[in-house]
Amino acid sequence: NAGVTQTPKFQVLKTGQSMTLQCAQDMNHEYMSWYRQDPGMGLRLIHYSVGAGITDQGEVPNGYNVSRSTTEDFPLRLLSAAPSQTSVYFCASSRPPGQGPGELFFGEGSRLTVL
Amino acid sequence: ILNVEQSPQSLHVQEGDSTNFTCSFPSSNFYALHWYRWETAKSPEALFVMTLNGDEKKKGRISATLNTKEGYSYLYIKGSQPEDSATYLCAFPFSGGYNKLIFGAGTRLAVHP
Repeated sequence: NAGVTQTPKFQVLKTGQSMTLQCAQDMNHEYMSWYRQDPGMGLRLIHYSVGAGITDQGEVPNGYNVSRSTTEDFPLRLLSAAPSQTSVYFCASSRPPGQGPGELFFGEGSRLTVL
Repeated sequence: ILNVEQSPQSLHVQEGDSTNFTCSFPSSNFYALHWYRWETAKSPEALFVMTLNGDEKKKGRISATLNTKEGYSYLYIKGSQPEDSATYLCAFPFSGGYNKLIFGAGTRLAVHP
């Protein structure tokens, strides 16, 4: 069982470049979300989705775009990379209310460096 | 945006010691409190999701308690082992969003043989 799969695991970008972090889950979870983790800070929510076709902003959405065309996939797009977006990004999924305790299942993370 | 506070930031204990950490969260509009364990170079893994005031959950040597009225949860580790070394995160849903979690900065535990 693959769980939550993120690609790429490492990426170096130049300022102004765009890229997409891929996230796929095979657990048929309705809920998916993207977090970033910076030193000394907790995981911060970027965007989340409660199902195919439905997305919403989290705490730190600026500079990022998401879409959810299928239940399985939730890509995160960096529109014009900035050094402030250097971080480790985690994708997570969970079952909706009433289908379990609601814990998040995390991918292995994607380390992004913007020069 | 709500705040989730964890203390201490880091902790060094000897193998066999018992230890505990605290997570403080807003006591109003409580929905759930999550605990995660995060080992270096791995991804966070759920330990507990707690929903009821007075709830106590246990997994092996790790247990957690919850006080929703005063807004805190304790995580206890009995007889710490080197493999317990990790960062322990707590998280709280905000704005009524079931999986919109605000995470604390974590407590980093190092268990020395």
